[in-house]
Amino acid sequence: KQEVTQIPAALSVPEGENLVLNCSFTDSAIYNLQWFRQDPGKGLTSLLLIQSSQREQTSGRLNASLDKSSGRSTLYIAASQPGDSATYLCADGGAGGGADGLTFGKGTHLIIQP
Amino acid sequence: NAGVTQTPKFQVLKTGQSMTLQCAQDMNHNSMYWYRQDPGMGLRLIYYSASEGTTDKGEVPNGYNVSRLNKREFSLRLESAAPSQTSVYFCASRRTGTGDRNTIYFGEGSWLTVV
Repeated sequence: KQEVTQIPAALSVPEGENLVLNCSFTDSAIYNLQWFRQDPGKGLTSLLLIQSSQREQTSGRLNASLDKSSGRSTLYIAASQPGDSATYLCADGGAGGGADGLTFGKGTHLIIQP
Repeated sequence: NAGVTQTPKFQVLKTGQSMTLQCAQDMNHNSMYWYRQDPGMGLRLIYYSASEGTTDKGEVPNGYNVSRLNKREFSLRLESAAPSQTSVYFCASRRTGTGDRNTIYFGEGSWLTVV
């Protein structure tokens, strides 16, 4: 059974810093790896999706990488802003075409101090 | 574009009562999901429907039933609510396949309290 772990559980950094959030998974046979953002009292918003054949994806100040051999993915946030404060979750997209559900990590609660 | 819409947003139930959470998506997605989110436990899959007419159990299906009414709608029913079912419930959908089309979309959540 796939297990997804996110460390640290919480992180607080000053505005402007670059930071890295970590995600590890036990089964390297993943279909894709997705990163989400969740604001308090809200649903999840997809940030980046990395296919199993890809190494990284970029969107604005966000860059996500995938290393299947080591079972790790990272989300890099450049020049952090207070508006980046949220919980960030990673998820394994599931095997075999992904019709079954994603397996989520428990998230990293990020606070950007003004 | 409404995306994934779930109702109700908030509900308080007494132990033993029943209720149905409704979910609809307007993106013509094949697959739909129900998750629950609890502090310290993360998101856990309750049931999913890979396509219209099929449903399958996820990680925590006990105490729940689902119906894939048509391609758009996927409902979650609590037949006899228990305090352990107090949680935030999320419906989600995605088009299975390759590339970014596989992105999953979530509803805003339904906060359920069982007293």
